[in-house]
Amino acid sequence: GENVEQHPSTLSVQEGDSAVIKCTYSDSASNYFPWYKQELGKRPQLIIDIRSNVGEKKDQRIAVTLNKTAKHFSLHITETQPEDSAVYFCAASIVGNNRLAFGKGNQVVVIP
Amino acid sequence: DVKVTQSSRYLVKRTGEKVFLECVQDMDHENMFWYRQDPGLGLRLIYFSYDVKMKEKGDIPEGYSVSREKKERFSLILESASTNQTSMYLCASSLSAGAGDTQYFGPGTRLTVL
Repeated sequence: GENVEQHPSTLSVQEGDSAVIKCTYSDSASNYFPWYKQELGKRPQLIIDIRSNVGEKKDQRIAVTLNKTAKHFSLHITETQPEDSAVYFCAASIVGNNRLAFGKGNQVVVIP
Repeated sequence: DVKVTQSSRYLVKRTGEKVFLECVQDMDHENMFWYRQDPGLGLRLIYFSYDVKMKEKGDIPEGYSVSREKKERFSLILESASTNQTSMYLCASSLSAGAGDTQYFGPGTRLTVL
């Protein structure tokens, strides 16, 4: 089955700086890559996703890039704010498949 | 807004007890999922269901069973709870298998088995 790995496990950034989290996946057939954010004590929520027919997608301060050849995708957060502090999970699946394979999560800490 | 609710936020049970965790979604979603979340291990899929009375094993089904008698409700059952099942349990639902649908999570049930 699909195996998704996230690096680094913890990331500390100064407020206003950028944060980048990278995920790698194993199944070249995967074509859907969502990112979920889980704030402390809350449920995971989708923040952005990308399909394999595009290389980059942006939504305000967050963006996701996909490199199908290398089988990795990254989350970019610009101008980080304290409310960006959370655990971020990447995932991968094949469209039409019911299940997502999640990474173990990255703890992002934004230092004021 | 999609709403996924879970029957309890916190639950304390004794070893050997039978435990039921309930999840309800109100958006007519086809798919429902049960995950277990442990520090450093991320979200691990226990079971999922893509239709009423249908279920498939996830990555860690041992010690668990599920039931889906109605489309909106998905139950996770611990037949004989053990201390290593102490964890946060998250339910999720998604509309269908097509087009990479968003999974919507419930608030979680923190289960402690003594």
